[in-house]
Amino acid sequence: DTAVSQTPKYLVTQMGNDKSIKCEQNLGHDTMYWYKQDSKKFLKIMFSYNNKELIINETVPNRFSPKSPDKAHLNLHINSLELGDSAVYFCASSQLRQSHNSPLHFGNGTRLTVT
Amino acid sequence: AQSVTQLGSHVSVSEGALVLLRCNYSSSVPPYLFWYVQYPNQGLQLLLKYTSAATLVKGINGFEAEFKKSETSFHLTKPSAHMSDAAEYFCAVSDRKTSYDKVIFGPGTSLSVIP
Repeated sequence: DTAVSQTPKYLVTQMGNDKSIKCEQNLGHDTMYWYKQDSKKFLKIMFSYNNKELIINETVPNRFSPKSPDKAHLNLHINSLELGDSAVYFCASSQLRQSHNSPLHFGNGTRLTVT
Repeated sequence: AQSVTQLGSHVSVSEGALVLLRCNYSSSVPPYLFWYVQYPNQGLQLLLKYTSAATLVKGINGFEAEFKKSETSFHLTKPSAHMSDAAEYFCAVSDRKTSYDKVIFGPGTSLSVIP
């Protein structure tokens, strides 16, 4: 069984469109994250939710809006897509807020290409 | 703020040779340090972590890392490289803020193993 699953795996869309990426974890973890990995493999945290509460919100354009309907799901909605949004988006989860006690478990990523 | 640097964006070793991937951190408080590995088209997986217990940390797949406070380093080593070790390796530091922390990743080192 996949621990952290993201859909879709690939997403190709045009500038100006709105799209969503879904993430689900079956590990029973309390905390979930969205990371963005750019073309140079640099990985940057975007958001973190703990038990449906937003706890980390980095400097991300407000076109990006996370939603956590329950602690097992964290979706990412992106409005008015721009070329610079092209990247691989990773969902992750951890058991506890403090990651030194609980490692991050990553999904396999969603490769977003904006044309 | 905490940060991580990884010397060498790309490292090539021969199969059976020593693997050494360098990581230096910057932190005003005792850090928690991690190494993650990313295989092609996959998410990141935890290799090992340092959480202020033993300074020499053993991880999966024969990897280990040594925390050296005086050098602010946490280099990753493996005595004998295997073809299956070819991947992207990320050093990371835990940034503690209030009751939660976030993981800051280095830029990554791509490891190639030559037969």
